[in-house]
Amino acid sequence: QKEVEQNSGPLSVPEGAIASLNCTYSDRGSQSFFWYRQYSGKSPELIMFIYSNGDKEDGRFTAQLNKASQYVSLLIRDSQPSDSATYLCAVATSGTYKYIFGTGTRLKVLA
Amino acid sequence: DAGVTQSPTHLIKTRGQQVTLRCSPKSGHDTVSWYQQALGQGPQFIFQYYEEEERQRGNFPDRFSGHQFPNYSSELNVNALLLGDSALYLCASSFGQLNEKLFFGSGTQLSVL
Repeated sequence: QKEVEQNSGPLSVPEGAIASLNCTYSDRGSQSFFWYRQYSGKSPELIMFIYSNGDKEDGRFTAQLNKASQYVSLLIRDSQPSDSATYLCAVATSGTYKYIFGTGTRLKVLA
Repeated sequence: DAGVTQSPTHLIKTRGQQVTLRCSPKSGHDTVSWYQQALGQGPQFIFQYYEEEERQRGNFPDRFSGHQFPNYSSELNVNALLLGDSALYLCASSFGQLNEKLFFGSGTQLSVL
């Protein structure tokens, strides 16, 4: 089992729709969870982070964390073509400084 | 406020050569982590430097080494390059505590021929 799993996609959604990206992790002791956006040929850019169970909202983005199910998700409301990118889920493993990244989900927002 | 800066942006080397990549952290950050990202994969942790010491290391061979300077900038050195070392090398800076947010530089694209 991979430590952090994401569906590679592509996930295609029409402009204006809600995009839902999912991530599962194996280390039950993980404390911190991050979503990065990576455009093709560019470096990852932090867009959301969450530490506690529940939802965290920032503009059009909502991160959801369920530690019991070892599941974290990212919702993008009113998706725009500029949101088309690969979204990486990262987990800070318990008691270490090592961050485990998933392979990313490629999102395509269709105009 | 300068973000994380890396140099060079691109590098082409041949097998067996050695390479040095450089990173300056975001202003106020004291910790530098290095990641390797192969095409189509997520970044893989190489190591982290804090207070000029390697604090933690990922599953990379000893050919990968690093250094952190008193001004918190860092270098990544790779010896005896292999074709499989071709990747995007990312530097990330943060504060020194656990679970801190990582901020990435623009990366160095290394091609080994």
